[in-house]
Amino acid sequence: SYVLTQPPSVSVAPGETATITCGGTNIGTKRVHWFQQKPGQAPVLVIYYNSDRPSGIPERFSGSNSGNTATLTISRVEAGDEADYFCQVRDSTSYNPFVFGPGTTVTVL
Amino acid sequence: QVQLQESGPGLVKPSQTLSLTCIVSGDSVSSGAYYWSWLRQHPGQGLEWIGYIYYSGNTYSNPSLKSRLTLSVDTSKNQFSLKLSSVTAADSAVYYCARISGFNYGDPYFDYWGQGTLVTVSS
Repeated sequence: SYVLTQPPSVSVAPGETATITCGGTNIGTKRVHWFQQKPGQAPVLVIYYNSDRPSGIPERFSGSNSGNTATLTISRVEAGDEADYFCQVRDSTSYNPFVFGPGTTVTVL
Repeated sequence: QVQLQESGPGLVKPSQTLSLTCIVSGDSVSSGAYYWSWLRQHPGQGLEWIGYIYYSGNTYSNPSLKSRLTLSVDTSKNQFSLKLSSVTAADSAVYYCARISGFNYGDPYFDYWGQGTLVTVSS
């Protein structure tokens, strides 16, 4: 089955840029979705199809995908961005089509 | 605004059946444009997809749960449900319902989620 990897944690100062990676074999051939999850809350879709933003998601959130790494970038980080971030892809080769990354905790210093 | 709300008991005894319902508002489960899904998250862990259902009643489940899982949809009540039988402590988790978009274009994604409900399996 397809495996996604993410760094356990990323720390960033307010106003700086947070970069969260999602690794997978040839992930650049897939379309990646990203979710934000704050403690005690449900996940929220922040990026779909690698780089599209749902309505209501700030432009500070952007995504890219190439080669073996997809990236979620949060520009001008705010305290409210502190959360866990998960990536997700579809694995068409598996009987379990939805694969999630383990998540990255973003801490705003 | 699309909203999903899970409901069901928060405590289930081992070997019994876990039953949850997701009530949808702001959209119709019978619109045919979306699939409707269940996921769960064990404490401090990542997300696990459980299964999905289409308004027609077609379902697809995680192979690891398929033998214990029943999914159903009630279009008259605009809701869908999950039943997981023979539960153990390993089934204790926060259960989420969610809407799936983009199925017809490949690479589907979960665009709306319920708030989640904690289910504990304990005697």
